[in-house]
Amino acid sequence: GAGVSQTPSNKVTEKGKYVELRCDPISGHTALYWYRQSLGQGPEFLIYFQGTGAADDSGLPNDRFFAVRPEGSVSTLKIQRTERGDSAVYLCASSYDPGVNEQFFGPGTRLTVL
Amino acid sequence: KNQVEQSPQSLIILEGKNCTLQCNYTVSPFSNLRWYKQDTGRGPVSLTIMTFSENTKSNGRYTATLDADTKQSSLHITASQLSDSASYICVVTSYGGSQGNLIFGKGTKLSVKP
Repeated sequence: GAGVSQTPSNKVTEKGKYVELRCDPISGHTALYWYRQSLGQGPEFLIYFQGTGAADDSGLPNDRFFAVRPEGSVSTLKIQRTERGDSAVYLCASSYDPGVNEQFFGPGTRLTVL
Repeated sequence: KNQVEQSPQSLIILEGKNCTLQCNYTVSPFSNLRWYKQDTGRGPVSLTIMTFSENTKSNGRYTATLDADTKQSSLHITASQLSDSASYICVVTSYGGSQGNLIFGKGTKLSVKP
């Protein structure tokens, strides 16, 4: 596709449930990033992939959060035992190469934990 | 601590007027600074990027400035349009740390009224 896509666009779940959020980066982009954005705040870094490996996962808030990118393209952010505080917009971005290259953002997945 | 501070937090202007948004940062070492526009419900879109040696960059009605000595940047919008209503986010990238760890400001929410 022409841009970064994310599915679903909206996800409502109950406290304690497991959710998966998917990101399809721009074809050929080796770097992929996940961010979390709360209302009125800037995006907060979660994890960054270079190819298939997580180059930096220091932003993941706790061990309930996990992300994979098994083939170096599509990535899935997984959240176990969701809590109400996990409610936010989860943004994915990709870039051709890390560093100074521009990150292209997807539209985000709005997660609501009831 | 690496931080990016933006002001004002929100701004309302009339269509056709100019405005200037501010960004101060305490990020070191510095690689580049980007301004992003984020429409409601959408991912951020890059407007400009400046490296250490650049002190001004234009993109249509948007002009960004950078003073690397004082660690300040501004985004000037000329002849505002209703479609300029959005959040404007200042993002600074640092060398040396994780390549995935960009430092985001909280954004300035701009409302352009007819």
